[in-house]
Amino acid sequence: DAGVTQSPTHLIKTRGQQVTLRCSPKSGHDTVSWYQQALGQGPQFIFQYYEEEERQRGNFPDRFSGHQFPNYSSELNVNALLLGDSALYLCASSYDHPGWGTGELFFGEGSRLTVL
Amino acid sequence: KQEVTQIPAALSVPEGENLVLNCSFTDSAIYNLQWFRQDPGKGLTSLLLIQSSQREQTSGRLNASLDKSSGRSTLYIAASQPGDSATYLCAVKGNEKLTFGTGTRLTIIP
Repeated sequence: DAGVTQSPTHLIKTRGQQVTLRCSPKSGHDTVSWYQQALGQGPQFIFQYYEEEERQRGNFPDRFSGHQFPNYSSELNVNALLLGDSALYLCASSYDHPGWGTGELFFGEGSRLTVL
Repeated sequence: KQEVTQIPAALSVPEGENLVLNCSFTDSAIYNLQWFRQDPGKGLTSLLLIQSSQREQTSGRLNASLDKSSGRSTLYIAASQPGDSATYLCAVKGNEKLTFGTGTRLTIIP
């Protein structure tokens, strides 16, 4: 059973460019969340997708956008990249419907983004 | 706004010792609490999940407790091994999202 998979694992961009990160959830999971982790910090919640819609959003600007596909996979898009966007971007999946799922989150290995 | 604190930020102990990692949170209205392990440059590995109605969970040498009323959780690691060296993060789930602490960097000295 494949866990959460993310691509690419590493990428380098320059300021002002745009980036797309991809995530495939764990089998059986239908909810995908994205987190940003700066060096030495805990992950910060960006947003969550369920049924192809953004269900909740953290304190991130509109430059950060996402999408969820019918097969539950997801993309994170960041426009007009800034140096401060350099971080590890983590995708997590879950199945947390009350009475059925535990709500436990499973994370991928992340995509390391460096903005020069 | 939920805030999660983990103290100490770093901890070094000799191999074989038992140890406790601490996590505190400000809002007791939580859905669950999860402990993760993170190796350098890697993703997060789920260790234990405690639902809000539970007091503790155990997996092998790991035991996590939850006291919602005091806003505290502990992760107990028995008979520590060098392979336990990693950063340990606790995360509290409330209102759909997880709020993470900044972690405790654990080093087990052989």
